[in-house]
Amino acid sequence: GAVVSQHPSWVICKSGTSVKIECRSLDFQATTMFWYRQFPKQSLMLMATSNEGSKATYEQGVEKDKFLINHASLTLSTLTVTSAHPEDSSFYICSATSLGQPQHFGDGTRLSIL
Amino acid sequence: EDQVTQSPEALRLQEGESSSLNCSYTVSGLRGLFWYRQDPGKGPEFLFTLYSAGEEKEKERLKATLTKKESFLHITAPKPEDSATYLCAVQAVGGSYIPTFGRGTSLIVHP
Repeated sequence: GAVVSQHPSWVICKSGTSVKIECRSLDFQATTMFWYRQFPKQSLMLMATSNEGSKATYEQGVEKDKFLINHASLTLSTLTVTSAHPEDSSFYICSATSLGQPQHFGDGTRLSIL
Repeated sequence: EDQVTQSPEALRLQEGESSSLNCSYTVSGLRGLFWYRQDPGKGPEFLFTLYSAGEEKEKERLKATLTKKESFLHITAPKPEDSATYLCAVQAVGGSYIPTFGRGTSLIVHP
């Protein structure tokens, strides 16, 4: 099946640091990538939808200046958590899709802000 | 607004005890219904896509079925390694391709 690589898998950093998470589709060209946040024992919460070459569309309540998304190519999207604080600690997951096909997910990034 | 409700929230089975998970949905027009499996600390793994009522898909001990209002994920003679959270999502026709996810069913299979 399709492979989506997400890196890093785990980050621990100090409050105020900016953290970049990469999401790559390894074997197909992703017209759309999604970024999710997941709290323990909860379902996926969509943060934003990213289309290659255009600005990301953020869900209501998600701060676009806080969570910067760049979808520079058909195989790479990045999420940068700027000036991260403890409340930003969470499990972040990306997914990639093409033309309405099923999403394929990365393995997630566990972000812990001290 | 599209809605997806999964039941039960949690299910405990003995190894070999077959059961079904339910995904009820409300959508203006269904483009596709997806089932995923998620292990702790991992991203969801794609299992099946169903497009129209009456369609069925199978993979090992799992079989997914679809009606106009709901989908079932049947697990036959489950093994402990089937323990995971199973997520259902629907994608509506028209507009964006953003799927709506249910909250999932947490399945534990005891040996």
